[in-house]
Amino acid sequence: QKEVEQNSGPLSVPEGAIASLNCTYSDRGSQSFFWYRQYSGKSPELIMSIYSNGDKEDGRFTAQLNKASQYVSLLIRDSQPSDSATYLCAVNPVTDSWGKLQFGAGTQVVVTP
Amino acid sequence: EAQVTQNPRYLITVTGKKLTVTCSQNMNHEYMSWYRQDPGLGLRQIYYSMNVEVTDKGDVPEGYKVSRKEKRNFPLILESPSPNQTSLYFCASSTLGTGILIGELFFGEGSRLTVL
Repeated sequence: QKEVEQNSGPLSVPEGAIASLNCTYSDRGSQSFFWYRQYSGKSPELIMSIYSNGDKEDGRFTAQLNKASQYVSLLIRDSQPSDSATYLCAVNPVTDSWGKLQFGAGTQVVVTP
Repeated sequence: EAQVTQNPRYLITVTGKKLTVTCSQNMNHEYMSWYRQDPGLGLRQIYYSMNVEVTDKGDVPEGYKVSRKEKRNFPLILESPSPNQTSLYFCASSTLGTGILIGELFFGEGSRLTVL
């Protein structure tokens, strides 16, 4: 079982709709959770970080964390063609080591006009 | 400009020929890390460093070495490259927050390595 799991997609989303991305992790002691966006041929860039249970909103993006269910999600509201990218979930499994940061394989999002 | 610089960006080499991929950051970050990215597998952590002279293995360290003699530099060394090390490599750096939690990772542009 992979430590961080995501649906690979592609997730096809009509322009203006909500994209919902999910991520589960195996280390119950994980403390930090991140969503990165990676355009094709580019480096990942941070979208959101979340450390506490609940929702965190930043513009059109909302991250949701449920540590009891070991689940973190990302909602993209009013999806735009520029949101077409691969979204990577990252988790800091401190039970193993403070320095490890593990990524899921990523979910490809395609926003269609 | 704040950045993480990797070199070379592209390299084709042959099995067994030692190579080094350099990584340098100008943000005074304590934390640095190397990842490899392969289709369907995402980013996998090779090695990381919490500070100068402090390095540790990630999830896929076999066949790689690192050193952290200066805060800004974190080179990745392939002593005897093999074809299964053909991959896209990313260096990244970050500050360490409360409780030494890793913050936002800043990535280099990536180094595409092909081992024949």
